Amino acid sequence: EGQLVESGGDLVQPGGSLRLSCVASGFTFSSYSMNWVRQAPGQGLEWLSYISSSSSDIYYADSVKGRFTVSRDNVKHSLYLQMNSLRVEDTAVYYCARWGGLCSGGTCKNWFDPWGQGTLVSVSS
Amino acid sequence: DIQMTQSPSSLSASVGDRVTITCRTSQSINNFLNWYQQKPTKAPKLLIYAASSLQSGVPSRFSGSGSGTYFTLTISSLQPEDFAAYFCQQTYSTPYTFGQGTKLDIK
Repeated sequence: EGQLVESGGDLVQPGGSLRLSCVASGFTFSSYSMNWVRQAPGQGLEWLSYISSSSSDIYYADSVKGRFTVSRDNVKHSLYLQMNSLRVEDTAVYYCARWGGLCSGGTCKNWFDPWGQGTLVSVSS
Repeated sequence: DIQMTQSPSSLSASVGDRVTITCRTSQSINNFLNWYQQKPTKAPKLLIYAASSLQSGVPSRFSGSGSGTYFTLTISSLQPEDFAAYFCQQTYSTPYTFGQGTKLDIK
């Protein structure tokens, strides 16, 4: 089934940096693409980034492009999100989520499952 | 970007009620549509993938339908544990956008 555990959330000043980690267990981490998603207080879900199993394909939301960097270490079963130039509006719970999928006839349908429990990032002076 | 319009944003219902939540997309996404349930302070949980496929372990009172730009999530008979927030999501193209959510609470 799999489990994901995030860490690294903290209170940071605007303009600061933070690195989030997500450790995977219970599945072959190196075989799966991964995602980061965040949720501002009382708000909806915002997809941030995707990284393929080998790190060959990486995508970002426009809201974080150029400021956030996703990476992974398949030996350590870990996913990372380096966040620079943080803004007040980056305050949120940050989740990692596994990219699941089912392929048939050359088409793959994909979803996010499982998700980690989330880690809180607060950006404030 | 594909815009997701979910309705209603909130819904009050009673145990045993049948409820339907809708999700519309700004362009056709075939059936690249997922539904998630989120309870307070918890991570989202996958309910339905590919518009109508029930995730393993999810009760059969949950069902999904639709294709193209219009999708629905139906709960056939609400149980106390179903009062939560529900989100649709498209995985047709990046950015993988979510609906704004539907908060389902007890009437």
